[in-house]
Amino acid sequence: AQSVAQPEDQVNVAEGNPLTVKCTYSVSGNPYLFWYVQYPNRGLQFLLKYITGDNLVKGSYGFEAEFNKSQTSFHLKKPSALVSDSALYFCAVRPSGYSTLTFGKGTMLLVSP
Amino acid sequence: DTGVSQDPRHKITKRGQNVTFRCDPISEHNRLYWYRQTLGQGPEFLTYFQNEAQLEKSRLLSDRFSAERPKGSFSTLEIQRTEQGDSAMYLCASSPQGAAGANSPLHFGNGTRLTVT
Repeated sequence: AQSVAQPEDQVNVAEGNPLTVKCTYSVSGNPYLFWYVQYPNRGLQFLLKYITGDNLVKGSYGFEAEFNKSQTSFHLKKPSALVSDSALYFCAVRPSGYSTLTFGKGTMLLVSP
Repeated sequence: DTGVSQDPRHKITKRGQNVTFRCDPISEHNRLYWYRQTLGQGPEFLTYFQNEAQLEKSRLLSDRFSAERPKGSFSTLEIQRTEQGDSAMYLCASSPQGAAGANSPLHFGNGTRLTVT
């Protein structure tokens, strides 16, 4: 069975500084990896995905993520954080050949002015 | 806007009552998913449909829960004899099928928040 770990409940960063939100996964076979963001009382919005190819993937709102197969990680990054980036971030995995996503428990990102 | 639509946004019910939620997926998507999200947790998979066929159900989906997608378009999720532990956000998502679906992210609605008193 697949699983996702987001080891930090909360990440605090000052506006303008780089941010990293960590994610590690466990899956049999090749993983499809996703990051989503959730604002209060809203559904999840897709940010970016890794399917195959370049290990560094770029997504919406200036976010990017790096796939590291040896470390089974898929950390979310942004070079310069904005206060408006403050939200709940979820990492998710889907093994190739499967249809359902498994989510981590989420990491709250707080960007201070 | 042609995103995933869920109704109602909020539902408050008393323990023991039945509730039904509706989801309208993106029109060209034939896969539809239901997830449940409780406070402090990520979404947990409940069930999914391909067209009108229910292809997978989680063990989280007790016999009090039933989902349908009778015409392969909208879907309903019914909870019978609600319990306080059913209080959660119920999220619906859709995606296309086939090669596009394999690489496609799920598109989520804004959810239905259920409170059981």
